[in-house]
Amino acid sequence: SQTIHQWPATLVQPVGSPLSLECTVEGTSNPNLYWYRQAAGRGLQLLFYSVGIGQISSEVPQNLSASRPQDRQFILSSKKLLLSDSGFYLCAWSVGGAGLYEQYFGPGTRLTVT
Amino acid sequence: SQQGEEDPQALSIQEGENATMNCSYKTSINNLQWYRQNSGRGLVHLILIRSNEREKHSGRLRVTLDTSKKSSSLLITASRAADTASYFCATEAAGNKLTFGGGTRVLVKP
Repeated sequence: SQTIHQWPATLVQPVGSPLSLECTVEGTSNPNLYWYRQAAGRGLQLLFYSVGIGQISSEVPQNLSASRPQDRQFILSSKKLLLSDSGFYLCAWSVGGAGLYEQYFGPGTRLTVT
Repeated sequence: SQQGEEDPQALSIQEGENATMNCSYKTSINNLQWYRQNSGRGLVHLILIRSNEREKHSGRLRVTLDTSKKSSSLLITASRAADTASYFCATEAAGNKLTFGGGTRVLVKP
């Protein structure tokens, strides 16, 4: 069966510090991978998605970047965090290829920038 | 921008009652999905309805889709305390990307 891991679960970082959040998927090959951010009490905003190794699409210009160094690994990074980067970050995967597939979410990382 | 908008934003019901929430969207879609999120957790997929389908059932869940009105509804029958969660609709228009609404917070009181 497929599983998705995200870490850390919570993170408190000062403004201006770097960020690295990691997401890995097990039990599937060539998945589509996604990074979302969720503000408190709000819906999900798609930040990045990837359909293959090294292929990253950015949905919202911002202070963040993403990389996919391996088939089942997706990393969200920032060189210098801003207060506005605080939020709940969710990684998700879906079956690769054409649409019509549901997405499976990780447990999320709650980031607080102080 | 958000494609889907849920209504109501919050809903409080007694255990055993039905809960209905609606989702409206703006552009043509390939499919519409509903997800549940327990507080502080990841989202869990509930049901997917394709653009050429009008109604779909899964256990105590019933989803309808009206593409002419660009709207969908999620009905939870015989609600339980464990159904307390936020419910999100998400639309897929093209390219494997989902656009989520703001969600409906459902509280089921025992």
